[in-house]
Amino acid sequence: GNSVTQMEGPVTLSEEAFLTINCTYTATGYPSLFWYVQYPGEGLQLLLKATKADDKGSNKGFEATYRKETTSFHLEKGSVQVSDSAVYFCALSRNSGGSNYKLTFGKGTLLTVNP
Amino acid sequence: DAMVIQNPRYQVTQFGKPVTLSCSQTLNHNVMYWYQQKSSQAPKLLFHYYDKDFNNEADTPDNFQSRRPNTSFCFLDIRSPGLGDAAMYLCATSRSGMGTGKYFGPGTRLTVT
Repeated sequence: GNSVTQMEGPVTLSEEAFLTINCTYTATGYPSLFWYVQYPGEGLQLLLKATKADDKGSNKGFEATYRKETTSFHLEKGSVQVSDSAVYFCALSRNSGGSNYKLTFGKGTLLTVNP
Repeated sequence: DAMVIQNPRYQVTQFGKPVTLSCSQTLNHNVMYWYQQKSSQAPKLLFHYYDKDFNNEADTPDNFQSRRPNTSFCFLDIRSPGLGDAAMYLCATSRSGMGTGKYFGPGTRLTVT
């Protein structure tokens, strides 16, 4: 079946540090890949996505590249801010039959950025 | 701004007392989803509507039902909440298609006393 494995947290960084959150996946065929962010007490927000191999998704200084050869979609940011503190979920989407493009989530990684 | 709205943000109900959570969207997306998220866990899909077609996940308890009276609104009904149903409930929408991504509401935190 489909699965997503992401780096276990929590991750604690100082402001302006470089961020990497690793994500690897298992799926048949060519899934679409996503990163979602959840700020405290809120729902999930789509951060970025990539729908085919070698695509790079980017948003708000975050980037992730769809690497089919390593089945990975690592999230990176060159200089984190305190406001980036949140839980980050890696996810993949595959058609599980009919209309259901089911999202499979990783367990989430809590990022805390200190001033 | 187009968005997904959930009401209420916080809901307290008693053990066994039916409760309804609401979701509305201004995105005009044809697919709407309900997820359950327990503390420090990933969201778990309960069911979704593709237009008017209801699709239940195999492991969603019978205690959970849903209604979608029109494109904009979707409701989650919990017929007899148990203590284990306390969680954040997230509504999401998307256009049909694998790569479109889902747009989530802020969630309703349900407490069962």
